Amino acid sequence: KQEVTQIPAALSVPEGENLVLNCSFTDSAIYNLQWFRQDPGKGLTSLLLIQSSQREQTSGRLNASLDKSSGRSTLYIAASQPGDSATYLCAVHEAAGNKLTFGGGTRVLVKP
Amino acid sequence: DVKVTQSSRYLVKRTGEKVFLECVQDMDHENMFWYRQDPGLGLRLIYFSYDVKMKEKGDIPEGYSVSREKKERFSLILESASTNQTSMYLCASSFGSYNEQFFGPGTRLTVL
Repeated sequence: KQEVTQIPAALSVPEGENLVLNCSFTDSAIYNLQWFRQDPGKGLTSLLLIQSSQREQTSGRLNASLDKSSGRSTLYIAASQPGDSATYLCAVHEAAGNKLTFGGGTRVLVKP
Repeated sequence: DVKVTQSSRYLVKRTGEKVFLECVQDMDHENMFWYRQDPGLGLRLIYFSYDVKMKEKGDIPEGYSVSREKKERFSLILESASTNQTSMYLCASSFGSYNEQFFGPGTRLTVL
């Protein structure tokens, strides 16, 4: 059974520092991996989708890398801002079955 | 932009009541999903649908049913609400299989 882990569960950084968020998964037979942002009490906002054949995907200050063979993805957020404070979740689409398996999330606080 | 809307942001119901949660998407997506999100347990898939009148059980379907009579609308039904169904409910949709999922704002349901 696929398990997705995000460590650490919480992270606090000063404004301007680069953020590095980790996601690991146990079964490398994935179709793609999606990163989301969630503000308190709100729904999920899709940030990036990275296909299993890709190594990287970029959108503005966000860059996601994927190493399928080692079961890892990293989300980099450059020059963090207080508005980046949120919980970040990763989720994998397994090759068998059209469903996402989510990690527990990393709660990020960017201090001004 | 994809828009997924949910009928209520907050809902309070009594034990034993029948509860309907509605989700509507405006992008002609084939796939629609219902998740619940609980502290410490993360997001878990309840049911999904890949076409009108089609449904598949997710990881935790017990105590729930769904209805999809029109492509844009997916309803989650709690036949007899119980206190352990107090949770945040999130709806999502996607175009085709294994594609990016887009989420609604969520419904926080409290069952007293």
